[in-house]
Amino acid sequence: EAQVTQNPRYLITVTGKKLTVTCSQNMNHEYMSWYRQDPGLGLRQIYYSMNVEVTDKGDVPEGYKVSRKEKRNFPLILESPSPNQTSLYFCASSFRTLGEKLFFGSGTQLSVL
Amino acid sequence: AQSVTQLDSQVPVFEEAPVELRCNYSSSVSVYLFWYVQYPNQGLQLLLKYLSGSTLVESINGFEAEFNKSQTSFHLRKPSVHISDTAEYFCAVSVMEYGNKLVFGAGTILRVKS
Repeated sequence: EAQVTQNPRYLITVTGKKLTVTCSQNMNHEYMSWYRQDPGLGLRQIYYSMNVEVTDKGDVPEGYKVSRKEKRNFPLILESPSPNQTSLYFCASSFRTLGEKLFFGSGTQLSVL
Repeated sequence: AQSVTQLDSQVPVFEEAPVELRCNYSSSVSVYLFWYVQYPNQGLQLLLKYLSGSTLVESINGFEAEFNKSQTSFHLRKPSVHISDTAEYFCAVSVMEYGNKLVFGAGTILRVKS
């Protein structure tokens, strides 16, 4: 089954404790992206990747890191989480970019205390 | 910068009534337009998209959206809603000149009541 898999589904952590949210797709997509969803703000792009070893900042990249060492994986790293990073995070992928349908993961609800 | 405005944060409607969810965008250049739907506790799914050609696009579950270039709008409509249409709907825009960015609106929660 074609899918984007995120883990974990829920995560509670404390300020400053490094964490990684994993994202994997099995559709051989070139394009992958991370979004955060906050009430009243919709989805805002954090980082995106056009292909392996190619990443770029979205609208709200501060406090986040990503890597794209393999085509299927695109982990999101929070080196020192803060409470303002409490949010619902989505990973998404598509075959290419403009005009293409995005496939979304089920989301990761992160709470930073 | 590109922006997307969804004019209603919540739209309550009775079952079998018609509904329109409004979306306006700021760009005056060529755009690609999308509507995504998010059911409770799920990720987003593509509902329909406009790339070029006919300004009226349809989805398989009865929704349609019309691209209006002069009004920079892409409103979503359905003539008769079902309880199962209860979800949050997001309008999104991408502009070739702005690179690989898909900009989302803030979302509209559609609540269908029996």
